[in-house]
Amino acid sequence: QVHLVQSGAEVRKPGSSVKVSCQTSGGAFATYAIVWVRQAPGQGLQYLGGIIPVFGTVDYAQTFQGRVTITADRSTNTAYLELSSLRSEDSALYYCAWQSGYSSDWSQRSGYFQHWGQGTLVTVSS
Amino acid sequence: DIQMTQSPSSLSASVGDRVTITCQARLDISNYLSWYQQKPGEAPKLLISDASNLETGVTSRFIGSGSGTHFTLTINGLRAEDVATYYCQQYDSLPYTFGQGTKLEIK
Repeated sequence: QVHLVQSGAEVRKPGSSVKVSCQTSGGAFATYAIVWVRQAPGQGLQYLGGIIPVFGTVDYAQTFQGRVTITADRSTNTAYLELSSLRSEDSALYYCAWQSGYSSDWSQRSGYFQHWGQGTLVTVSS
Repeated sequence: DIQMTQSPSSLSASVGDRVTITCQARLDISNYLSWYQQKPGEAPKLLISDASNLETGVTSRFIGSGSGTHFTLTINGLRAEDVATYYCQQYDSLPYTFGQGTKLEIK
């Protein structure tokens, strides 16, 4: 059974950066992907991007291009989301999620998310 | 980006009712659609993929249907444990996008 454990809550000032981690365990797919989805208070779900650790290929939503960096450490099965130039609107619950698949090409993968982390609350406040 | 529109935004129904939630895509997404259930204070949970494929362990009271631009999630025999917000998500093209959610309550 796949299990995703995220790092704890963070508080940051506007203009700074935050880095959130997501450690995975279990799962039979070596070619899985980890994606990041956020949820502002009382709002819906928004995709930020993802990484396929075994290939190293990343995808970023255009909305966040230039501000988001997603990396992975295969030795610890941990993925990271770094978001820079933070503003108050970035205050949200950030989830990592697991996506199965075989392709290194993001456009060829089945893009649904079978397992989710518990979420990391990021608060941006002066 | 492909816009996904859900309706209604919220609904209230009685235990035992049949409930239907609709998701409309602005472009043809074939059957590349999933449904998630998010209970208060919890992460989303995948219910259905490929528009109608029920995930292992999910009750058969949940039924997904549709293709192209129009999709539905039907919940048969509504139970108190079904109280949640439901989201559709398209994965026909990047970036993946979600509907705004449908909040389901019990009367």
